[in-house]
Amino acid sequence: GQQLNQSPQSMFIQEGEDVSMNCTSSSIFNTWLWYKQDPGEGPVLLIALYKAGELTSNGRLTAQFGITRKDSFLNISASIPSDVGIYFCAGQPSGTYKYIFGTGTRLKVLA
Amino acid sequence: GAGVSQTPSNKVTEKGKYVELRCDPISGHTALYWYRQSLGQGPEFLIYFQGTGAADDSGLPNDRFFAVRPEGSVSTLKIQRTERGDSAVYLCASSFRGGLTDTQYFGPGTRLTVL
Repeated sequence: GQQLNQSPQSMFIQEGEDVSMNCTSSSIFNTWLWYKQDPGEGPVLLIALYKAGELTSNGRLTAQFGITRKDSFLNISASIPSDVGIYFCAGQPSGTYKYIFGTGTRLKVLA
Repeated sequence: GAGVSQTPSNKVTEKGKYVELRCDPISGHTALYWYRQSLGQGPEFLIYFQGTGAADDSGLPNDRFFAVRPEGSVSTLKIQRTERGDSAVYLCASSFRGGLTDTQYFGPGTRLTVL
């Protein structure tokens, strides 16, 4: 099935560093979502974006809905060990109810 | 309150067998989604229910896969003549009405292994 391109695939960072990841699509989306998934769990919603250009924060997390509506970015500031996990973007194509997920960014934080 | 629950948590079956996976959504949520997540991949959309009806089943990979939600609450994903390639984690999610701004809440998933 279709999946969005997410980069980087994985990253090892030091505690306290900032993290950036992005997601791109070949088609336009009306909604962009960012999720975090821990082992053995389902994804948990972090941030939802509904408008092109929108910039939204949730604590140390900030996400942006790209102007072209074909990409989105997630930044994590001052990372901590519990930020470890897999981060997924998801987009909702226009006129549909389904969500297309990215391939995931695996984040490991070194204390 | 209780979140989305899925049973069983793990299912091991043999190639060619029939399996049923159950999802209990959050009470009062009318929208229900099934996804499949293969190892190292993101969730892949299978089907979306609004109430009792399947509003979008475009993600079901073939006619061996079928899902029902007869009373608009619990849903069952049914897989006939299982194949080794069906091995994956099957995730269920629900949201209040399925609207644009409604948050999807995911269950922990059922890990299906086809031997």
